[in-house]
Amino acid sequence: SQTIHQWPATLVQPVGSPLSLECTVEGTSNPNLYWYRQAAGRGLQLLFYSVGIGQISSEVPQNLSASRPQDRQFILSSKKLLLSDSGFYLCAWSVRPINIQYFGAGTRLSVL
Amino acid sequence: KNEVEQSPQNLTAQEGEFITINCSYSVGISALHWLQQHPGGGIVSLFMLSSGKKKHGRLIATINIQEKHSSLHITASHPRDSAVYICAVSNTDKLIFGTGTRLQVFP
Repeated sequence: SQTIHQWPATLVQPVGSPLSLECTVEGTSNPNLYWYRQAAGRGLQLLFYSVGIGQISSEVPQNLSASRPQDRQFILSSKKLLLSDSGFYLCAWSVRPINIQYFGAGTRLSVL
Repeated sequence: KNEVEQSPQNLTAQEGEFITINCSYSVGISALHWLQQHPGGGIVSLFMLSSGKKKHGRLIATINIQEKHSSLHITASHPRDSAVYICAVSNTDKLIFGTGTRLQVFP
């Protein structure tokens, strides 16, 4: 069966520090992968999605970046965090053509 | 105006009540999704539908493609149904999300 792992669950980082959040999927091949952010009291915002290794689409201009070094690994990074980067980050995967998205447990990031 | 609108934003109910959450969208879609987000933040996909009606336990989802409207119903609501319910639509590999409906069911 397919599973998605996302870590860490919570993270407190100072402004200006780097960020690396990792997401891995097991039990499926060539999934679409997604990074979302949910600010407090807001809806889900798509940050990045990937349809294959090395293929990243950015939805929102920001100081975050994403990489997909392996088929089932998706990494969200930042060189210097801003206060506005605080939020709940979710990774998800789906497989065409069904397109149901399966979400990781999320990472709650607080930038202080 | 958001492409996906949900109503109400907040909903409280007594245990046993019948719940309806509405979703309207303004874009062409291939499917509509209902998701549930629990207080801890985890999100679970409840339904994906492109026509008609689907039922799973006490949950029923309907969609009217012509009217660009969907409803999520919960029969015999229970406190464990308390969560945020999110409507999303897809027409490519991406989902467009509504802002969610926060449901609280009291015993």
